[in-house]
Amino acid sequence: EVWLEQSGAELKKPGDSLRISCRTSGYDFTNYWISWVRQMPGKGLEWMARIHPSDSYTTYRPSLQGHVTVSVDKSVNTSFLHWSSLKASDTAMYYCVRQGIGGHVWGHGTLITVSS
Amino acid sequence: QSVVTQPPSASGTPGQRVTIFCSGSSSNIGSNTVSWHQQLPGTAPRLVIYDNNQRPSGVPGRFSGSKSDTSASLAISGLQSEDEADYYCAAWDDSLKGYVFGTGTKVTVL
Repeated sequence: EVWLEQSGAELKKPGDSLRISCRTSGYDFTNYWISWVRQMPGKGLEWMARIHPSDSYTTYRPSLQGHVTVSVDKSVNTSFLHWSSLKASDTAMYYCVRQGIGGHVWGHGTLITVSS
Repeated sequence: QSVVTQPPSASGTPGQRVTIFCSGSSSNIGSNTVSWHQQLPGTAPRLVIYDNNQRPSGVPGRFSGSKSDTSASLAISGLQSEDEADYYCAAWDDSLKGYVFGTGTKVTVL
């Protein structure tokens, strides 16, 4: 069974750095894109970026380029989403999603709260 | 602001057929496949339709999808109370070089 396990909820201050993870299992990690999707409180789904684990080719939503970084560690079948300096507006639920043949598989989400 | 639009709400009584529409453009729906995602209250989204009209295993047969030109639709026949959720369409956008989600439709079972 395909499974995407995300790291736990975080409470951070503006300016903090943060890395959240998405550990996958049940399929060949290098054969499928991983996307990251944001959902701000009470709002819809917003695609942030995607990465292909085979070569780490990455595409970002233009408005987020430079604010977040997506990466993978093929040795542990895991993708990461990293911020070097969080803002209050980063408060949201973040989902990783496997994309490719057979459709999407969603992780359960990681809630990030940024507050002073 | 999303480039793919959906009506904010739709509703029906149990057993009815409800159809949700998704309107895009030639750079997204017009040239790429569409997927539909169901988000029950307080939970992560889950895929209900991919490649315009394919149903993943485990998704009931009452869910069906179609696409025509720059629009797509999701139909739920034999509506059930557990179908009350937010539904989002999605597609790759060749111009934006990114994935776009529709604005979302809240389905209410009356």
